[in-house]
Amino acid sequence: DAMVIQNPRYQVTQFGKPVTLSCSQTLNHNVMYWYQQKSSQAPKLLFHYYDKDFNNEADTPDNFQSRRPNTSFCFLDIRSPGLGDAAMYLCATSRAWTGGSANYGYTFGSGTRLTVV
Amino acid sequence: AQTVTQSQPEMSVQEAETVTLSCTYDTSENNYYLFWYKQPPSRQMILVIRQEAYKQQNATENRFSVNFQKAAKSFSLKISDSQLGDTAMYFCAFMNPYTGANSKLTFGKGITLSVRP
Repeated sequence: DAMVIQNPRYQVTQFGKPVTLSCSQTLNHNVMYWYQQKSSQAPKLLFHYYDKDFNNEADTPDNFQSRRPNTSFCFLDIRSPGLGDAAMYLCATSRAWTGGSANYGYTFGSGTRLTVV
Repeated sequence: AQTVTQSQPEMSVQEAETVTLSCTYDTSENNYYLFWYKQPPSRQMILVIRQEAYKQQNATENRFSVNFQKAAKSFSLKISDSQLGDTAMYFCAFMNPYTGANSKLTFGKGITLSVRP
């Protein structure tokens, strides 16, 4: 089945130690998104890629970076994780908008829960 | 900017009964999509139902239906014959893909629904 896969499911990292979360998709979607979700809160968009074009949200800290080497993969790099970065990180994909479609929407991965110690 | 408001943080319903989750939104746009997403304790975000704003007919998916009131900017979710597996956090979300490639999903704060046996 076509899907969005996030690895690892759980990640523990040390305060200040760089960490990378990965996302892959078999849907061949143009757009890939990274969301941060803290406990019992709404997901917050960090950035997204439309093909190779990177789009950063204005309030995303510089500590967060992303790479998309090809259509299938997207990475979230946290350069110096702080305790406040502990959260669930959700990857999502969507195809490019080409007009009215009853099936338009996002597909989410299962998320990576990041713990900072 | 669009905003999505879910004013009820928690609800509880008896198994087999019907429950309605409320959502309001604010936008100046005429064409857009609205979604309800379910996030069970396993944490994967799953699409429950979508509504295209230009369609007057309310969307339905099996036990799930919406009451879409465009003029009132209201988009409530009705769950009929509630099941234990419906226990989850539910997010209402807005997107306007007509703005182009950088359309984004805006979430409400979510509501925690508990189904009691």
